[in-house]
Amino acid sequence: GNSVTQMEGPVTLSEEAFLTINCTYTATGYPSLFWYVQYPGEGLQLLLKATKADDKGSNKGFEATYRKETTSFHLEKGSVQVSDSAVYFCALSDRKGGSEKLVFGKGTKLTVNP
Amino acid sequence: NAGVTQTPKFQVLKTGQSMTLQCAQDMNHEYMSWYRQDPGMGLRLIHYSVGAGITDQGEVPNGYNVSRSTTEDFPLRLLSAAPSQTSVYFCASSPRAGRNTEAFFGQGTRLTVV
Repeated sequence: GNSVTQMEGPVTLSEEAFLTINCTYTATGYPSLFWYVQYPGEGLQLLLKATKADDKGSNKGFEATYRKETTSFHLEKGSVQVSDSAVYFCALSDRKGGSEKLVFGKGTKLTVNP
Repeated sequence: NAGVTQTPKFQVLKTGQSMTLQCAQDMNHEYMSWYRQDPGMGLRLIHYSVGAGITDQGEVPNGYNVSRSTTEDFPLRLLSAAPSQTSVYFCASSPRAGRNTEAFFGQGTRLTVV
């Protein structure tokens, strides 16, 4: 079935550093791709998404581009802040049994130090 | 805005006890699901529902039951708790089970089985 592989971390950066979290996927067809973020003590919330090849999702300074040729959806941010410290999950939509489901990667914990 | 509400936030059970994790959403979403989050495993789908009266199994359904008598509520039942069910449980809802649809998550229930 469809699956997602992301760098496991943890990742520790200084404020204003450049962030990349790698995500690759295995899928039949053309799934939608997502990045979710989980702040400490909270549930997951959608950060950005892309629904077809070459689409770029963006939100709060984060970006990710749907690359069909490399089956990747890497998350980037040019200058991280302490408030970006969280766990980031890459996910894809997987159609099984007649309905779409989300398949998540294992998550990458990011810590940003002042 | 309440969104997705889970209760309780924390629970300790003894092996063999039963309990129900509650999940309610006030967004009139058709699709609801339960995940468990374990270290190094990401989120894994337990059960899901595409509408009132319809439920189906996800990736790790053993030891859990669900029902969906109303659009708003989707409780998760542990029939006989085992230490392997120690985890953080998240309920999520979406407007529909579509490939581009954002999932909204509750804040989670941290369950410990001793």
